[in-house]
Amino acid sequence: QVQLQESGPGLVEASETLSLTCTVSGDSINNYYWSWIRQPPGKGLEWIGYIFYSGSTNYNPSLKSRVTISVDTSRSQFSLKMSSVTAADTAVYYCARVTLYSSAWVFDYWGQGTLVTVSS
Amino acid sequence: SYVLTQPPSVSVAPGQTARITCGGNNIGTKSVHWYQQKPGQAPVLVVYDDSDRPSGIPERFSGSNSGNTATLTIIRVEAGDEADYYCQVWDNNSVVVFGGGTKLTVL
Repeated sequence: QVQLQESGPGLVEASETLSLTCTVSGDSINNYYWSWIRQPPGKGLEWIGYIFYSGSTNYNPSLKSRVTISVDTSRSQFSLKMSSVTAADTAVYYCARVTLYSSAWVFDYWGQGTLVTVSS
Repeated sequence: SYVLTQPPSVSVAPGQTARITCGGNNIGTKSVHWYQQKPGQAPVLVVYDDSDRPSGIPERFSGSNSGNTATLTIIRVEAGDEADYYCQVWDNNSVVVFGGGTKLTVL
C-alpha cells in the first residue's frame, strides 16, 4: 500500500520560507508525478504544483513566482519550498501522487496533510 | 485561467438521489474527476474521467459530463456520504483546477 507522509515546521514566520517534505513508501517514487495541494482552513483545495521523478515541474501560475518543488529519488522524497509567506498561506498542505487511470491523470494517493500556520 | 463553479451546498434525505454539479466553459470537452473529503481527512477519488469509478467505490456513485456542466450523482444516499465534494480538471498547459467544493448534507 502506497503511503505518503508530510513533514516540516507547523509554524512559519511571515516573510520567511515554508519548507515541507513528503516521504513516499510502499512503491517506487520513479515513473510517477508527485504533487502538492493545499487547503486553507474552512476553504477549498488549491493545487500548488507537481514534479516528475526525473525533475521536470509545473506550477500553479498564481504561485509560480514563490514556489519550488524538488525531488530526491534516493530518499523517496519530494519537497516544497514557498518563499515570502503571508497569513494567506496558512493551510493544510497535502502531498499526493499523480497516476494515469486509463487515459486520465488523477490524484490517487494522498498524505494525511500537515497544518502550516504563518505567524506575524 | 479556467474556472470550475460548484454550488456551495446540496442537501438530500437518506435514500434519495444527490446531484452535485460542476460548471465550466465547454467542460464537456474535458475529463472531469471527483473527490470526496470527509472532515479531518484527505480527499479520496470517487469518479474519474467523467464517469469511471476506482476500485472500492460503490456503484451508487456515478458521473456525467456534457456541454458546460459535469454532474456527480449519488443514488440511495447514506449518512456516510456526507462530505465535501470537489470536481477537478486539467486545463491547458497541464495546470490543475479544482472547483470550489460542495458540502453534501444528509438530512
